[in-house]
Amino acid sequence: EVQLVESGGVVVQPGGSLRLSCAASGFTFDDYTMHWVRQAPGKGLEWVSLISWDGGSTYYADSVKGRFTISRDNSKNSLYLQMNSLRTEDTALYYCAKDDGDGYNLDYWGQGTLVTVSS
Amino acid sequence: EIVLTQSPGTLSLSPGERATLSCRASQSVSSSYLAWYQQKPGQAPRLLIYGASSRATGIPDRFSGSGSGTDFTLTISRLEPEDFAVYYCQQYGSSRYTFGQGTKLEIK
Repeated sequence: EVQLVESGGVVVQPGGSLRLSCAASGFTFDDYTMHWVRQAPGKGLEWVSLISWDGGSTYYADSVKGRFTISRDNSKNSLYLQMNSLRTEDTALYYCAKDDGDGYNLDYWGQGTLVTVSS
Repeated sequence: EIVLTQSPGTLSLSPGERATLSCRASQSVSSSYLAWYQQKPGQAPRLLIYGASSRATGIPDRFSGSGSGTDFTLTISRLEPEDFAVYYCQQYGSSRYTFGQGTKLEIK
């Protein structure tokens, strides 16, 4: 059974930094591209970033480019999101999601970790 | 960037009825790159349809997707109580992914 468990969400002040983690199990982690998607309270879904199976390719939404860095450790079956220069508009539930292998869809999602940016 | 616009914003129907949800793209989208997700309150999204019309693993056949170009549709043939949720369309392009704003399907 595929499991994705996010952690690291806390309350942080504007301008602060935070690192989210996602522990993966139930599939061959290093075979798949992985994603971060966020959802502001009461709002819709916003794709944030992806990283290829080997970490060699990364992409970001314009809203986080230059501030967030995605990474992975295939030896630990773990995905990360380093978040710097946080803004109040970054407040959201952050989901870790697995790519389905085709590169177009996200077929498994974690339950999310809540990041609140507030003074 | 391709913008996806979903309609209606809210759809009020009764169990047993047919639901038709629309997703319109600001530019043509390859059918291979269009997906639908279901999200229930307090839960993560779940992949329903990929490639515009293929059901994901374990999705009942009352869910179907269709469309091409800029107009795509998710149809639920006969609503079950567990189908009342928010539905999002999503497209892939140039290593970026965008979601529609969602359609809330509520019990009438």
